[in-house]
Amino acid sequence: QQQVKQSPQSLIVQKGGISIINCAYENTAFDYFPWYQQFPGKGPALLIAIRPDVSEKKEGRFTISFNKSAKQFSLHIMDSQPGDSATYFCAASFYTNAGKSTFGDGTTLTVKP
Amino acid sequence: NAGVMQNPRHLVRRRGQEARLRCSPMKGHSHVYWYRQLPEEGLKFMVYLQKENIIDESGMPKERFSAEFPKEGPSILRIQQVVRGDSAAYFCASSFSGQGANNEQFFGPGTRLTVL
Repeated sequence: QQQVKQSPQSLIVQKGGISIINCAYENTAFDYFPWYQQFPGKGPALLIAIRPDVSEKKEGRFTISFNKSAKQFSLHIMDSQPGDSATYFCAASFYTNAGKSTFGDGTTLTVKP
Repeated sequence: NAGVMQNPRHLVRRRGQEARLRCSPMKGHSHVYWYRQLPEEGLKFMVYLQKENIIDESGMPKERFSAEFPKEGPSILRIQQVVRGDSAAYFCASSFSGQGANNEQFFGPGTRLTVL
């Protein structure tokens, strides 16, 4: 049972454009939703995270939009740059209860110059 | 201020051999998580450990795989009698605690296991 579904699998965007990656979750007990960025040969690095008490969180060019009723959240990358080309993973876990994170299958983003 | 360290970075084993993967968490972190990543896929949780205790091993295959996090030294993921299907990248993450903002998981660079 896949608890976190991520789309699209791959995305090609022109430099300066907006990249949008979507995730949907099933378990309503999840209350912490991080996004990770992974470059080839490297480990995932936390990019930005959100909790369900807010509908949007912005850090620089990166914004998470969260829809609790639809059990969906998305990552928006504004003014996409070639250096943003990487694989992005959404995840879901529990803020107040330690344990595993459940990851989406990833989105490979290519930003063309 | 070193991050999460994993070694070796690359490991080649023949079928039937044993693989030992090591993870040193960030300084001050007492929670360790192991994940496996197959090519073109996301990370799959394997096991969550605190010092000397396995907290959640629900993602660990029942046979051939074991993990430990001793009082002293790194966490070890051990795979006995490796098969080709074990070929993957294995990532370790650590966190300061298991709750709240201190639950943020920091990932190591991974160990890429190839089974011939």
